Amino acid sequence: DIVMTQSPDSLAVSLGERATINCKSSQSVLYTSNNKNYLAWYQQKPGQPPKLLIYWASTRESGVPDRFSGSGSGTDFTLTISSLQAEDVAVYYCQHYYNVPLTFGGGTKVEIK
Amino acid sequence: EVQLVESGGGLVQPGGSLKLSCVASGLTFSGSDVHWVRQASGKGLEWVGRIRNTANNYATAYAASVEGRFTVSRDDSKNTAYLQMNNLKTEDTAVYYCTTNNGRGLDYWGQGTLVTVSS
Repeated sequence: DIVMTQSPDSLAVSLGERATINCKSSQSVLYTSNNKNYLAWYQQKPGQPPKLLIYWASTRESGVPDRFSGSGSGTDFTLTISSLQAEDVAVYYCQHYYNVPLTFGGGTKVEIK
Repeated sequence: EVQLVESGGGLVQPGGSLKLSCVASGLTFSGSDVHWVRQASGKGLEWVGRIRNTANNYATAYAASVEGRFTVSRDDSKNTAYLQMNNLKTEDTAVYYCTTNNGRGLDYWGQGTLVTVSS
């Protein structure tokens, strides 16, 4: 099974500042035949289901603000919130969909400093 | 608007069974892979299992923690997916989400249904 490791577990960022979350997979999730990274990022607010933010490691889902961006390839990935807004307070998860079982990172809780 | 609505959760004793349903609307359900993901209170997300679409012969796969006890199925004529859970254990207590994959990760999610396994 592919193990997804996120860091940090939590971070506090001032409004308008940058938040960076890292995700590392135990093996590459880059499918060489199509050059796509099978990596997604989700946002989960209290009492709500997760919401897809980013897929293919760097493609924003429709309707997601452009302050959210994803980067990385192979085994190392990053989710960046360029200018943190109050509504971005949530837990963020990375997840691979390279094969089964799908696995998630442990989550990163983002708060306002 | 895409909607996934889960139902069937509740309180069940250890060793008991429960069948969850997920009714979809607003999307071409037959073309979607359907996954089940669970979340224990205050914990992270755990993938449970999935059933692929008809083009992929409805192939199923399960997490090791539920293999042999849980079964995912679907009825495309009813736009509905199911999660049959047998021999339930206390550690199966969680909110269970139905979610779809249309080629870009887990794109649509239901609100979840709570399953509590307790004596």
